[in-house]
Amino acid sequence: EAGVAQSPRYKIIEKRQSVAFWCNPISGHATLYWYQQILGQGPKLLIQFQNNGVVDDSQLPKDRFSAERLKGVDSTLKIQPAKLEDSAVYLCASSRLQKGTGSLYEQYFGPGTRLTVT
Amino acid sequence: QKEVEQNSGPLSVPEGAIASLNCTYSDRGSQSFFWYRQYSGKSPELIMSIYSNGDKEDGRFTAQLNKASQYVSLLIRDSQPSDSATYLCAVREGQAGTALIFGKGTTLSVSS
Repeated sequence: EAGVAQSPRYKIIEKRQSVAFWCNPISGHATLYWYQQILGQGPKLLIQFQNNGVVDDSQLPKDRFSAERLKGVDSTLKIQPAKLEDSAVYLCASSRLQKGTGSLYEQYFGPGTRLTVT
Repeated sequence: QKEVEQNSGPLSVPEGAIASLNCTYSDRGSQSFFWYRQYSGKSPELIMSIYSNGDKEDGRFTAQLNKASQYVSLLIRDSQPSDSATYLCAVREGQAGTALIFGKGTTLSVSS
């Protein structure tokens, strides 16, 4: 079974520029998550999708970040305009189900995109 | 503010020893608990999940949960240099929540 795919793996941009990240979840996983991981910190949830609907975007800085999952599979996360403090690794994760206990809703991470804003 | 606390380390153990990693959480309603391993420059990898009080064993790994004390731990037996990584504790928010709250991670170093 293929894992979560992300691209690009690395991106360097100047502040005030825009950037987009792409994620393809594990086949059959209805729930998709975007996390931000700053160096030395644990991942922090930005947004969660169930199929193509948003479940939780309470920690997404909506003035500059946006995300979509139009067909319930792939997702794109965009930053516009970028700030220096956006330098981090952006991780996509997926799980088969949204709620409950057991392996069906355990989250699996992609390789991440390392963003450097100069 | 729901929090997950971990000692950042580094925790240093010799090869073959038992490594003990600890985590406390603030949300008493949490029901699901996870340990992820993260090698430097890599993404988190799920290694253990635990949902009920007590111990859960998987190979050299044992997860322990005590909901009354809001405490979860990970024991790694016969530690190997390849176990050197940062271990992230994650707690699923609330009783019906879906978001994971992560600790900052504990860095483990196993010397040969």
